[in-house]
Amino acid sequence: DQQVKQNSPSLSVQEGRISILNCDYTNSMFDYFLWYKKYPAEGPTFLISISSIKDKNEDGRFTVFLNKSAKHLSLHIVPSQPGDSAVYFCAAMDTGGFKTIFGAGTRLFVKA
Amino acid sequence: DSGVTQTPKHLITATGQRVTLRCSPRSGDLSVYWYQQSLDQGLQFLIQYYNGEERAKGNILERFSAQQFPDLHSELNLSSLELGDSALYFCASSVVGGLEDTQYFGPGTRLTVL
Repeated sequence: DQQVKQNSPSLSVQEGRISILNCDYTNSMFDYFLWYKKYPAEGPTFLISISSIKDKNEDGRFTVFLNKSAKHLSLHIVPSQPGDSAVYFCAAMDTGGFKTIFGAGTRLFVKA
Repeated sequence: DSGVTQTPKHLITATGQRVTLRCSPRSGDLSVYWYQQSLDQGLQFLIQYYNGEERAKGNILERFSAQQFPDLHSELNLSSLELGDSALYFCASSVVGGLEDTQYFGPGTRLTVL
């Protein structure tokens, strides 16, 4: 049972345009949501997070939006850069934060 | 460099064998997590330790076990290996392991079971 779903395995975007990566979740007990970025042959690195009490969090070119009623979050990257090409994982934590549930990832290609 | 080290980087073994994966957390981090990433899948949470004690368990098979030692390094033991255990195994560490505590991931150990 996939509690965190990233339905797009890949996304291709032109440099300078907006990248929008989507994530859906099923468990209403999730309290905290995160995005990780992963380059080949490296471990995931934390990118940005959002608490369930907020609907938006921004950090430079990266913004995460949370729609609790729809159980949906998205990551916006503006403007997209070739160095953003990587696999992006959406993740969620329940109250207490002991377990982190990851989605399957979306591979982003940013074309120069 | 996240500061989390994992050894070995690659491991090739046969079905039925037993292997041990090692993780050293970032300096000062008390919590260690183990994840499994099979081909084209997301990371599956296996287990979390905090200061030597097991704190949370995910989808960890009974053939797998882990521990965190007094010096805070952790080992993941995989026994009676099957072809389906071939995967990337990641270790992560964080300061205390709670909500909003950033996890820092190591580079992973790639296990191939032949």
